Amino acid sequence: AQTVTQSQPEMSVQEAETVTLSCTYDTSESDYYLFWYKQPPSRQMILVIRQEAYKQQNATENRFSVNFQKAAKSFSLKISDSQLGDAAMYFCAYRSLQTGANNLFFGTGTRLTVIP
Amino acid sequence: KAGVTQTPRYLIKTRGQQVTLSCSPISGHRSVSWYQQTPGQGLQFLFEYFSETQRNKGNFPGRFSGRQFSNSRSEMNVSTLELGDSALYLCASSLAGVGDTEAFFGQGTRLTVV
Repeated sequence: AQTVTQSQPEMSVQEAETVTLSCTYDTSESDYYLFWYKQPPSRQMILVIRQEAYKQQNATENRFSVNFQKAAKSFSLKISDSQLGDAAMYFCAYRSLQTGANNLFFGTGTRLTVIP
Repeated sequence: KAGVTQTPRYLIKTRGQQVTLSCSPISGHRSVSWYQQTPGQGLQFLFEYFSETQRNKGNFPGRFSGRQFSNSRSEMNVSTLELGDSALYLCASSLAGVGDTEAFFGQGTRLTVV
């Protein structure tokens, strides 16, 4: 079974600074998606960024970018120019493209605090 | 375009009772998945429905069941509630499921069992 590990339960960053959240995963599959989701106090999970495993190029979405290391099974999220609105729980998630299943496997989350 | 709607937002039930939660997916989406979120176990997949059929199931007891209607709306039922069933239940919808690049989540139903 796939497992996703987030080793940082909590992180903090000064406003306007850069922070990196870590995620590792374990799988024997070659085709899959990786995601970072944000869960603010409103509880709604919001997709931040996604990465297709077959793509060598790291995904970027404005201030958010990932460092995807397929061989190392590592998928970190970098937030640049941190803003107060970035404060939330961040979840790393995995979805297989080989099993026909649509479910996501989530990590335990990292709570990000942004300090004004 | 309306998002994923979950009702009710909050629910308090007594141990031993049963409960039904509802999820209305984004219009045109045919896949609905359910997740349980607790502080201890994190986010765990319950089941997925596609075109009124359960396509995939997580590792939960038979007290947890669901169904999907022809308009893609889904319901989740928990019978004989236990204290440990207290959780945030999240629903996610996507167009067709497998291969979709994004699942859209609702705001969840917070279930408290007393």
